[in-house]
Amino acid sequence: DQQVKQNSPSLSVQEGRISILNCDYTNSMFDYFLWYKKYPAEGPTFLISISSIKDKNEDGRFTVFLNKSAKHLSLHIVPSQPGDSAVYFCAAQPQETSGSRLTFGEGTQLTVNP
Amino acid sequence: NAGVTQTPKFQVLKTGQSMTLQCAQDMNHNSMYWYRQDPGMGLRLIYYSASEGTTDKGEVPNGYNVSRLNKREFSLRLESAAPSQTSVYFCASSRRTGLAKNIQYFGAGTRLSVL
Repeated sequence: DQQVKQNSPSLSVQEGRISILNCDYTNSMFDYFLWYKKYPAEGPTFLISISSIKDKNEDGRFTVFLNKSAKHLSLHIVPSQPGDSAVYFCAAQPQETSGSRLTFGEGTQLTVNP
Repeated sequence: NAGVTQTPKFQVLKTGQSMTLQCAQDMNHNSMYWYRQDPGMGLRLIYYSASEGTTDKGEVPNGYNVSRLNKREFSLRLESAAPSQTSVYFCASSRRTGLAKNIQYFGAGTRLSVL
């Protein structure tokens, strides 16, 4: 049972254009969402997050949108740069008092072409 | 500031051999985690330790054991390695658990092959 799903294994965009990465979840107990970026031979690094009380969070070129009714979140990168080429994972955390476990999606490989 | 350090970076085992993956963090984090990453399956939680002295099973604990040696160190042991355990293993840590934002910080990974 995949509670966090990234339906696009890969995405290719031109430098300077917008990249939109999507993520769907099924567990209505999730209330905090994160995006991680991963380069080859490195560990994932935290990129941006959003709480369920918000519908948008922005950090420089990166914006995350949350649609709770649709159980959908997306990451927008504008403008995209070649250095953004990486695997992007979305993750979700349930509201609970212990553990704070993250559930990750399968990842989307983003390629930004010069 | 090293963050989360994993050793070794690479390992090849024969079926039935045992080994321990080491993880240490220098951020004074309370919680530590072990994940495995397989193609097309994202990161799956094996075990985690919410605080020093406690460990709990994650999504895929079978075939593994863990030890939270102290606040800094969290090891993952394969008692009898199987080819299905061929994977990339990541250790992570976070400042605290509970309702607080759980931003986890990851090590660089251990690439394990079981022949």
